[in-house]
Parts: sequence; C-alpha cells; structure tokens
Amino acid sequence: EPEVTQTPSHQVTQMGQEVILRCVPISNHLYFYWYRQILGQKVEFLVSFYNNEISEKSEIFDDQFSVERPDGSNFTLKIRSTKLEDSAMYFCASSEGGLLAETQYFGPGTRLLVL
Amino acid sequence: DQQVKQNSPSLSVQEGRISILNCDYTNSMFDYFLWYKKYPAEGPTFLISISSIKDKNEDGRFTVFLNKSAKHLSLHIVPSQPGDSAVYFCAATLFSSGSARQLTFGSGTQLTVLP
Repeated sequence: EPEVTQTPSHQVTQMGQEVILRCVPISNHLYFYWYRQILGQKVEFLVSFYNNEISEKSEIFDDQFSVERPDGSNFTLKIRSTKLEDSAMYFCASSEGGLLAETQYFGPGTRLLVL
Repeated sequence: DQQVKQNSPSLSVQEGRISILNCDYTNSMFDYFLWYKKYPAEGPTFLISISSIKDKNEDGRFTVFLNKSAKHLSLHIVPSQPGDSAVYFCAATLFSSGSARQLTFGSGTQLTVLP
C-alpha cells in the first residue's frame, strides 16, 4: 500500500541552525501538508501546498519557515533559524485531488529537538 | 483554540465490547470530519470519515455518527480488540472540491482495550 515517507526520523540541532525536513508524498497525490505536534499538545496545521504554491498557512508558519517541492517526488520543510520552541514532531501529509482532497494520509513524522 | 474538543483523555474497555469515542466541535462551518488512530512514534493513520450531508458512515468494525445540531460526532468500534489500543484523534475541515484544506484536530483519546 502506498505511504508517505519522511526523513530523517530524528534530528537534533542547535538553536539558530537551519534544518530541512524531507517528505515523499504518495505518488499520485496533488496536495501536500505539514503539521506539527509539540509534546503533550494537539496536532497543529502549518501549511498546505498545491500546484507549486502555498494554499494556506497558519500563524505558526512565519518567515522562518518555507516549503518547497524541488522535484517530482520530494516535499521539504525548511526552518531557517531554529528556536527552542520548534522542538516537536513534524508530520507530512498528502491527499488526492478533487472530492478526495479532504482525506489526508500522514507520514511517520520527524522528531526535531532544538538544543 | 478549542474548535475541536475531545473531552475524554482516556477510555478503557474490555475486549469484545463496544468502544465509543466522542468529539465536539464549535465551528459550524466544518462540514467534513475524520478519525485517525495513532500509535506511539508513528504518524496518524486514517480510519474513517463522514461528510456533513450524512449522519452515519460505516466501515467494518468502525462506525462514525454525526449529530450536526449538537455539533457532536462519535466513533464506535465493535467489537473492540487489543490491537485497537491507541490514541484516537478527531479532525474537522471545510469541504471543498479541488483545494487543500487544513485539518483541525482534537486533543485525542487514549483507548485501551483490555484482554
């Protein structure tokens, strides 16, 4: 069964460093998302991406964050200058087009720890 | 932000019995709802969804009921199995055809099915 994959599974970085989290969405999906879950809190929406541009973004997704689809398979989330409060699980998700766009399939996540 | 609420952080049931997980929402614009299951160190796994034009959707052991007037939905699992032990998240979104929409998640309910 097709699935969303994410790399790395864990990342430890120093505050102020840049990190890139990578995702490979399900191959025929057209919509891509990033969510995060801070320990003990809800899963929160960050950004959605369609047709090579951002569709929606939350207040969390400020200028420190960017997303890119550098080729036909990868979808990346970049945090330019990490802060302690960026420590969280980051989930990538994807969905099909049309009427099935609302069913989002999630990857296993990347656990980011900012020291 | 409490647009989607799961008021029971945990639920324990005996194997073979029914599990009922509840979810309330406040935003009347939500018109598509999903349930996800999450094991530790994994991403959310899609279980079942329901559109606001329906009041029930069934898939095997899983049934979701929607009461729009009460802004309440529930997930029934019958019969419950030990492998169902996980955190269950309710999520809601605005239905649209062909555009990416953010999911708003509840805080989750830890279901434990006792053998």
